[in-house]
Amino acid sequence: GAVVSQHPSWVICKSGTSVKIECRSLDFQATTMFWYRQFPKQSLMLMATSNEGSKATYEQGVEKDKFLINHASLTLSTLTVTSAHPEDSSFYICSATATNRGINEQFFGPGTRLTVL
Amino acid sequence: GNSVTQMEGPVTLSEEAFLTINCTYTATGYPSLFWYVQYPGEGLQLLLKATKADDKGSNKGFEATYRKETTSFHLEKGSVQVSDSAVYFCALSPLNTNAGKSTFGDGTTLTVKP
Repeated sequence: GAVVSQHPSWVICKSGTSVKIECRSLDFQATTMFWYRQFPKQSLMLMATSNEGSKATYEQGVEKDKFLINHASLTLSTLTVTSAHPEDSSFYICSATATNRGINEQFFGPGTRLTVL
Repeated sequence: GNSVTQMEGPVTLSEEAFLTINCTYTATGYPSLFWYVQYPGEGLQLLLKATKADDKGSNKGFEATYRKETTSFHLEKGSVQVSDSAVYFCALSPLNTNAGKSTFGDGTTLTVKP
């Protein structure tokens, strides 16, 4: 149990376009979802915390107008990279904590590889 | 603030060798400690965790003991396999804080050769 999916698994887009990435908890309700960014051979950087029905909380230095997060239900959060540029190319990973599993467990999605040309 | 320092990689071992990946942390109070594994092209998977001092987390032959006195959580495995080749991340989550807000180490790449 506790499976998190991401879609798409990879995407290539032109500079200036917007890209939406979905994160779904498949078999549990996620009170909170998190969005991370990972550069090659580097650690994960937390971008924002997403709670169902409320505005996301962004980490310092993350542009909220560029990385739009919508957490419409207890099983779905979306990250939209607006007006993407090559420097936004990265591996984006979401995670979720379950309402009935406590806050010490988070479950990661498989990640989405974004390449902006 | 909180921080996690991991042994620098990459680490290359022969199959059946003993593995240690060092992890030390800085945090106030008693954080929860985690090891995650990331296989190529995939997201992270929880490998093991410990939530209080002297706890030992274990899974798939991997072990790590929460050492408060040395602020360490070293990962060990007695006999590695080729399939253990991956990137390993040590992380901490402050007490009563959602694990999603964990602080991660930089990761250690392990390659196991047949």
